[in-house]
Amino acid sequence: EAGVTQSPTHLIKTRGQQATLRCSPISGHTSVYWYQQALGLGLQFLLWYDEGEERNRGNFPPRFSGRQFPNYSSELNVNALELEDSALYLCASSRTGTSLATNEKLLFGSGTQLSVL
Amino acid sequence: GENVEQHPSTLSVQEGDSAVIKCTYSDSASNYFPWYKQELGKGPQLIIDIRSNVGEKKDQRIAVTLNKTAKHFSLHITETQPEDSAVYFCAATHPGRRALTFGSGTRLQVQP
Repeated sequence: EAGVTQSPTHLIKTRGQQATLRCSPISGHTSVYWYQQALGLGLQFLLWYDEGEERNRGNFPPRFSGRQFPNYSSELNVNALELEDSALYLCASSRTGTSLATNEKLLFGSGTQLSVL
Repeated sequence: GENVEQHPSTLSVQEGDSAVIKCTYSDSASNYFPWYKQELGKGPQLIIDIRSNVGEKKDQRIAVTLNKTAKHFSLHITETQPEDSAVYFCAATHPGRRALTFGSGTRLQVQP
């Protein structure tokens, strides 16, 4: 069974540009989560999509946005890139309609390394 | 909101020794506590998790203990091997929350 897949692996942009990152969840998973992992720091929650809708977002500015497609894949868009946006962006998936706290697990992809120059 | 603190930030042990990583959480409603291992250049891998209806869970050389009264949980790795070297993250959540809150990570180095 394929795991969570992310593309591209690496992305280099300049300040002010826009970046688009993509994620395909595990087959049968319909919830997608995005996390940011800046160098030397922990994982910061960005966004959660479930059944095509944004369900929750972390403490990030509106220039971080995304969407989830009918096939449950997801896209993260970062507009007006700033140097501090340089980080590893991780996507994770779980089954929908259930809670992580009761019986589900969150499984991660390998991430997209975004470098803003 | 939830706050998860993790200690130590770095840990160096000799091969064959045990390693213990500790986390505390702030939200008493939290009831799911997973641990992830992240190797260089890879995403976090779920290695073990515990839900608040149990106090301890073991999987081969890895065990997690939970003390809900004190609001802390720990990861124990016995008979460490060089391939255990990685960054380990603890996390917590509860039914009312829709994402995991992660600790800041522990870099474990196992010296051969």
